[in-house]
Amino acid sequence: ETGVTQTPRHLVMGMTNKKSLKCEQHLGHNAMYWYKQSAKKPLELMFVYSLEERVENNSVPSRFSPECPNSSHLFLHLHTLQPEDSALYLCASSQGDSALYEQYFGPGTRLTVT
Amino acid sequence: GEDVEQSLFLSVREGDSSVINCTYTDSSSTYLYWYKQEPGAGLQLLTYIFSNMDMKQDQRLTVLLNKKDKHLSLRIADTQTGDSAIYFCAEKPQAGTALIFGKGTTLSVSS
Repeated sequence: ETGVTQTPRHLVMGMTNKKSLKCEQHLGHNAMYWYKQSAKKPLELMFVYSLEERVENNSVPSRFSPECPNSSHLFLHLHTLQPEDSALYLCASSQGDSALYEQYFGPGTRLTVT
Repeated sequence: GEDVEQSLFLSVREGDSSVINCTYTDSSSTYLYWYKQEPGAGLQLLTYIFSNMDMKQDQRLTVLLNKKDKHLSLRIADTQTGDSAIYFCAEKPQAGTALIFGKGTTLSVSS
């Protein structure tokens, strides 16, 4: 247990559905991250939030919409996804957003878009 | 560019040493990391090395950094079946907050 939980662990959705992924950290951290892990590709950073403000958005399509209502919770809202969006979505948190701080990862949500 | 390269697979016998190699391209990287991912789990930080160091040892793990060649390696001594996992190398460039990850090396340990 890393102190970062993600729900659901598995999600199957159609291309016209709307769903949300949830991440919660119990570590008192100030920075939270969404990563996408696709088969045979490097882990891709999607979004970074620091003190509930988005500090990085790595050219992610608008069908992915993050929300950080407080420093403990991070959501990823999904709508009109494509089959190539099927992947493992990992959430992470760290004490701050600089390299000095270790990132703690959640177990991920395995998303399948049909 | 910012690319981190790793070989995709490594197979060793239990008790042997494993060496996982990584090359990176950003010479301004401040920290370099090794993460471990077990099946069905998220990434777990194993160890990291600051760019002004050339070696770091932590129990069975030894990290070697050759900054001139931009080469990082992770040596696992006395490899056990529980070490079977995917190992990711990552660099933290000086600019930005993102870690740049490699594709991961799948380590398979046979008894």
